[in-house]
Amino acid sequence: ETGVTQSPTHLIKTRGQQVTLRCSSQSGHNTVSWYQQALGQGPQFIFQYYREEENGRGNFPPRFSGLQFPNYSSELNVNALELDDSALYLCASSFNDRAYGYTFGSGTRLTVV
Amino acid sequence: GENVEQHPSTLSVQEGDSAVIKCTYSDSASNYFPWYKQELGKRPQLIIDIRSNVGEKKDQRIAVTLNKTAKHFSLHITETQPEDSAVYFCAASTGGGFKTIFGAGTRLFVKA
Repeated sequence: ETGVTQSPTHLIKTRGQQVTLRCSSQSGHNTVSWYQQALGQGPQFIFQYYREEENGRGNFPPRFSGLQFPNYSSELNVNALELDDSALYLCASSFNDRAYGYTFGSGTRLTVV
Repeated sequence: GENVEQHPSTLSVQEGDSAVIKCTYSDSASNYFPWYKQELGKRPQLIIDIRSNVGEKKDQRIAVTLNKTAKHFSLHITETQPEDSAVYFCAASTGGGFKTIFGAGTRLFVKA
């Protein structure tokens, strides 16, 4: 059984650019949730994908968008990057949108300069 | 919107002492309450969880209590060890719902 993997691990982008982060869910999981964790803060819910559809969204602007693929892997896209987007981006996978059994990936550290 | 408050933000204890972290939640529909431990530079790891039909759950040195009426829950770590030093996050979820709301975290230092 494989765990949740995220790529890349680190990324530096310039303000105004676009970025795509990737997440492969744990074997047997069909739900992926994305979180933004600023330094010294708890993870903030961005959105969740269940069976390839967005199944809930937190207080993030439309320039944060996502996709889920038939193999349940997922992408997080952020357009028009701002300095405040600098954070650790975590994805978590689970089965049938249940909160229990959440398994987190190691995250992508995004720095916007 | 839904909110989870966590206290204290920093906690320093002597090795062997107990540590208690408290959280309150606002969404009365929440029925699942996990606790995560995050070591520096690592992913959050689930250490214990509790569902709303249970008032207390224990796993070795770790216990969690839940008071649904007051909408608060607590993490208790007994006989703390230096390796318990980390950031601990509480969270509240509707379980079958689509999001888990996290507290801001408690940085626990265990002094040897």
